Amino acid sequence: GESVGLHLPTLSVQEGDNSIINCAYSNSASDYFIWYKQESGKGPQFIIDIRSNMDKRQGQRVTVLLNKTVKHLSLQIAATQPGDSAVYFCATRGGSQGNLIFGKGTKLSVKP
Amino acid sequence: GAVVSQHPSRVICKSGTSVKIECRSLDFQATTMFWYRQFPKQSLMLMATSNEGSKATYEQGVEKDKFLINHASLTLSTLTVTSAHPEDSSFYICSARDPRGSGNEQFFGPGTRLTVL
Repeated sequence: GESVGLHLPTLSVQEGDNSIINCAYSNSASDYFIWYKQESGKGPQFIIDIRSNMDKRQGQRVTVLLNKTVKHLSLQIAATQPGDSAVYFCATRGGSQGNLIFGKGTKLSVKP
Repeated sequence: GAVVSQHPSRVICKSGTSVKIECRSLDFQATTMFWYRQFPKQSLMLMATSNEGSKATYEQGVEKDKFLINHASLTLSTLTVTSAHPEDSSFYICSARDPRGSGNEQFFGPGTRLTVL
């Protein structure tokens, strides 16, 4: 079955540095990927998405890279700020009704 | 982006009682809503898919008679945890798919923290 996993459970970075969060997926037929940010006690917040016909997409301070050959997805956060501290999940679309399958999550801690 | 609300945000109940959680899409109509459960330091796990006007589709291992889902309108889905037990204590999160635009984007509610004593 489909599974989406993350390489690192925790990531600690210095304020101002760039952060890279990685994710691996197993279903080569996955065609849509999303990154979510979840702060403590809150619901997930959409960050950025990418379709399988792209290998890179940029947003404000964030970039998602997709490598379909090795089934790997990454989220890059430029100039990481304390407000970026949260748990980050990658997700892929599963099922016929569009439900999401979430990875395990990476906790990002930003040191001032 | 679109807004999804949940009510209540926190609930504490006694074992054996039932608890109803509401999920509302505030500025769009959602024919499909999803209910997830999240245990501490774990990921979100899909419980069921709620479709307006029809029966919910439950994931394997989720008891439909225990977790009752009603999608009464295009802006409201409810999850009722019946005869709650301490092991049902969790963070319950709903999401709604916005049919506008690509129709792919899901917006999540703020979650409901359920504690069963």
